[in-house]
Amino acid sequence: ETGVTQTPRHLVMGMTNKKSLKCEQHLGHNAMYWYKQSAKKPLELMFVYSLEERVENNSVPSRFSPECPNSSHLFLHLHTLQPEDSALYLCASSQDIMGDQPQHFGDGTRLSIL
Amino acid sequence: GENVEQHPSTLSVQEGDSAVIKCTYSDSASNYFPWYKQELGKRPQLIIDIRSNVGEKKDQRIAVTLNKTAKHFSLHITETQPEDSAVYFCAASNSGGGADGLTFGKGTHLIIQP
Repeated sequence: ETGVTQTPRHLVMGMTNKKSLKCEQHLGHNAMYWYKQSAKKPLELMFVYSLEERVENNSVPSRFSPECPNSSHLFLHLHTLQPEDSALYLCASSQDIMGDQPQHFGDGTRLSIL
Repeated sequence: GENVEQHPSTLSVQEGDSAVIKCTYSDSASNYFPWYKQELGKRPQLIIDIRSNVGEKKDQRIAVTLNKTAKHFSLHITETQPEDSAVYFCAASNSGGGADGLTFGKGTHLIIQP
């Protein structure tokens, strides 16, 4: 299944670097999500976009900055990250933002902070 | 917000036997309960889901049961095969969706012993 594509698959960066993660969905969905997956912890929802509009989520540090230029693309801009930010970052999409819609995930970006 | 507890964290069964994974949720408004399977290094994939208007759903060797009164739901895998080895996540949400999205359990590592 190639419905949701994430790049890069792996990323190693220093704490002072700036990088971006990219997600693209080819399913015609209207909602997109960023999740963080750390070992032995549940998937953590970071950001939600519906029709390119961000649904407010205030629990994520400002060193993570999302961008959704259109309904098919989602970015996560990273700057001055901390070692505890090392994790697998997963993008997902669903038909709409209603909670009873299945979410389709990408393969993720494995991020390592030196 | 919603809280989802998942047990056990690791489950080892003999090939051909059945496996059961259980989840509880806290928000009585939740009405959508998907299950995802994540193989090592791969994306989470939806394997089955259930909505609150039904108590059980089956798809070949996989079934999910829901008890709304007790606020728990379970995944049942019969005649387990080596390819069933993976991490399984349960999740819950309500149709309102929005910033809360899906709330995931911590996952169960299912090991199928040959």
